[in-house]
Amino acid sequence: DGGITQSPKYLFRKEGQNVTLSCEQNLNHDAMYWYRQDPGQGLRLIYYSQIVNDFQKGDIAEGYSVSREKKESFPLTVTSAQKNPTAFYLCASSILSGNTGELFFGEGSRLTVL
Amino acid sequence: QKEVEQNSGPLSVPEGAIASLNCTYSDRVSQSFFWYRQYSGKSPELIMSIYSNGDKEDGRFTAQLNKASQYVSLLIRDSQPSDSATYLCAVISNGFSGGYNKLIFGAGTRLAVHP
Repeated sequence: DGGITQSPKYLFRKEGQNVTLSCEQNLNHDAMYWYRQDPGQGLRLIYYSQIVNDFQKGDIAEGYSVSREKKESFPLTVTSAQKNPTAFYLCASSILSGNTGELFFGEGSRLTVL
Repeated sequence: QKEVEQNSGPLSVPEGAIASLNCTYSDRVSQSFFWYRQYSGKSPELIMSIYSNGDKEDGRFTAQLNKASQYVSLLIRDSQPSDSATYLCAVISNGFSGGYNKLIFGAGTRLAVHP
């Protein structure tokens, strides 16, 4: 089945540690995105990538980094510079040539800072 | 800041009733509008898209768009307890760096359908 796989589903981090969230898709989509969701708030865009080896900052990129070395993969690193990283992280993809509002989401990764 | 606003709810409706969810947006040039459903603890799922003024129906769901009033709504007929979820309105806004048309999400309206 085609889809987006995020791992891990739950992750605990100590302060000062970097953690990497994995996102893999087999939908052959060009565009991939990382969103953050906090309780009572809408999804906020962290980073997006329209093509391999290229990515752009979203609204809240500070303290995060990404790479796009393969079309299928778009990992997100939450660095120690991110002061409030506890959140639900969602990876999504879309067909670039289509409507960018039609996103397919992974199941999400819930990060908690201890 | 281009925004999408929704009433957070909860909107409580009895089973079998029509649930009406509303959304307003600030970017006058927006052309594309979406409704996502998100069950508690799960990821969002696209349920409707609408691009032209008027109504678009898909099963029990009807999306309504009024660009002049910058208003989009989602009607759910014959509401079921399984419809209980948070419904996110999303709007494409244009003109960001790299020619990317960004999808902006509202905070969502929580719908509770009670038997």
